[in-house]
Order: sequence, then C-alpha cells, then structure tokens
Amino acid sequence: DVKVTQSSRYLVKRTGEKVFLECVQDMDHENMFWYRQDPGLGLRLIYFSYDVKMKEKGDIPEGYSVSREKKERFSLILESASTNQTSMYLCASSLPGGNTGELFFGEGSRLTVL
Amino acid sequence: AQSVTQLGSHVSVSEGALVLLRCNYSSSVPPYLFWYVQYPNQGLQLLLKYTTGATLVKGINGFEAEFKKSETSFHLTKPSAHMSDAAEYFCAVRGSSASKIIFGSGTRLSIRP
Repeated sequence: DVKVTQSSRYLVKRTGEKVFLECVQDMDHENMFWYRQDPGLGLRLIYFSYDVKMKEKGDIPEGYSVSREKKERFSLILESASTNQTSMYLCASSLPGGNTGELFFGEGSRLTVL
Repeated sequence: AQSVTQLGSHVSVSEGALVLLRCNYSSSVPPYLFWYVQYPNQGLQLLLKYTTGATLVKGINGFEAEFKKSETSFHLTKPSAHMSDAAEYFCAVRGSSASKIIFGSGTRLSIRP
C-alpha cells in the first residue's frame, strides 16, 4: 500500500515563527502536492512538485514556500506564520506517470497560529 | 478551465435510506472525475474514479457514481446508508494536466439512527 506520512498531526505556533511541515511518501511517486483545507472552501492547492528540486505554484502560494531535495520528501515552509494560516494542511502524491491524477493523501497536519 | 460544484454543504439521511450527493463539473477537455471521502481526523481516500469507458462507476463501500455528459454531472449514490458512512465527501476533476486536481467545497454526510 502507498503510504504518505506527515510528520506532525497537530502543531501550535506563534505569529512570526517559521514553521516546517514535512511529508514523506514511500512509493517512488514523481508528483507531490500540498493542499490547504478550510471549512466551506474545500481543498486549495498551495504548491506541487513534479520532480526533485522542481516546483510550481498552485492557487494560493502567498506566504508559503516548499522544498524537495529528495524524491520521497516534500516540505512546506511558512517563513513567518500568521493567524490566517491556521488551517489543516494535506500532503498528497500521485501515481508514477500520474496520467489519471489519482491522489494519495497523508492524514493531515492541523496548524494553529496564535 | 475546469471546475467542480457540489450542491449542498450538508446532507442528512436516515440509516438505511438512499444517499445522493450531487456534483456538477465544468471541463474543456474530456474529464477525469473523482470522489474522495474524508473520515474525521483523517486524510482523503479515493472512493471511485471515472476516466474513460463505462459511465457507471462502482467504488468502495457500496458507493457508485454515474457520469452524465449531457448534464455535466457525476452524482454519488449508495442505496442504503450505514452509520459508518458519516464523513465528508469531495468531488474532484482533473485539471489541464494530471498534476492539477480541482476539488469541490465538500459535502458533509450525516446519518440519523
């Protein structure tokens, strides 16, 4: 089975702190994604990566950056956390080739910024 | 551009009743369509998908969905609801590339005993 693991299920940070959210997948997927989930808004794409060191902005990249130094690991970085970044963050990866776009998700990281 | 609209942010049905969750899509290319389910405090998992071929798609846990091109719809159904079906359901469409999946806003399904 594909496994996507997010390092922290729950985090509480203070405004202005730098925050790292880590995601690891174990199935050699080329594509990895970071989504943000908010009530009534569904999932919104922050960034995705289609290869090591390659990344593309999604729909809401402002205030975020990403890092992909190894194929299995994709990190989301909040350089200076703000209260409006309090949310659930979901990491996902897609099948080799990714021709259908089916996604495999981690369990999510719920971030609270005080 | 591709988009998805889910009608009804919250649906409540009795145990044993029919479940119907509505999804309409917009796509400038032949669509790939998905339904995902999210149980409390978990990530999303795939229920079913339509790519090509048969328009009635069967998924896990007794769910199915029918692709209707003329109505641009991909509604999710289950004949008889079970308490364990209580979750949030997301309809999604593949965007201009496989790298972009566009999600609807979600429908929370509640089951009454």
